[in-house]
Amino acid sequence: DTAVSQTPKYLVTQMGNDKSIKCEQNLGHDTMYWYKQDSKKFLKIMFSYNNKELIINETVPNRFSPKSPDKAHLNLHINSLELGDSAVYFCASSQTGVGKNIQYFGAGTRLSVL
Amino acid sequence: SQQGEEDPQALSIQEGENATMNCSYKTSINNLQWYRQNSGRGLVHLILIRSNEREKHSGRLRVTLDTSKKSSSLLITASRAADTASYFCATENSNYQLIWGAGTKLIIKP
Repeated sequence: DTAVSQTPKYLVTQMGNDKSIKCEQNLGHDTMYWYKQDSKKFLKIMFSYNNKELIINETVPNRFSPKSPDKAHLNLHINSLELGDSAVYFCASSQTGVGKNIQYFGAGTRLSVL
Repeated sequence: SQQGEEDPQALSIQEGENATMNCSYKTSINNLQWYRQNSGRGLVHLILIRSNEREKHSGRLRVTLDTSKKSSSLLITASRAADTASYFCATENSNYQLIWGAGTKLIIKP
């Protein structure tokens, strides 16, 4: 059983399109994250949700909109895709509390914008 | 924001040798964690060391933490080809957020 699963694994699309990436975790965690990893492997936090509420929203274009229908799901919708959005996007989850913030990652979604 | 810095950026050693990676950070922390990322995969948690701990072991992994120097090291002993991966440190701050380093790419040559 996959603990954190995200779909699709690969996404190839044209500039200007709108796309969504889905994420689900079955670990019972109360916090979920979206990260962007660029070609140099630099990992950047984009959003964090705790119990369906947004708690971190780093400087990300408002073309990116996360949605958390329940605490097991955190989806990422991207409008008007640009070339610079090409990257690998990772979903992760963790429990909150001192010493509990060990994050579990999905396998990633490789987005290529042409 | 990213505050961790890791060195070296890349490390290539022979199988069987020990590999050491370092991580430095800037602010006070609750704990420091190390993660591994195999090519094309997500990150996997390896080990967590609390701010009041100085050393921790897990199998072939040894982590040290020096809070006075704001630095940590990860030692992998008797390296294997399967250890080839990128290794990231992450520090948990007082808001329970993880701040990530840029990673060290480790290559184990057979």
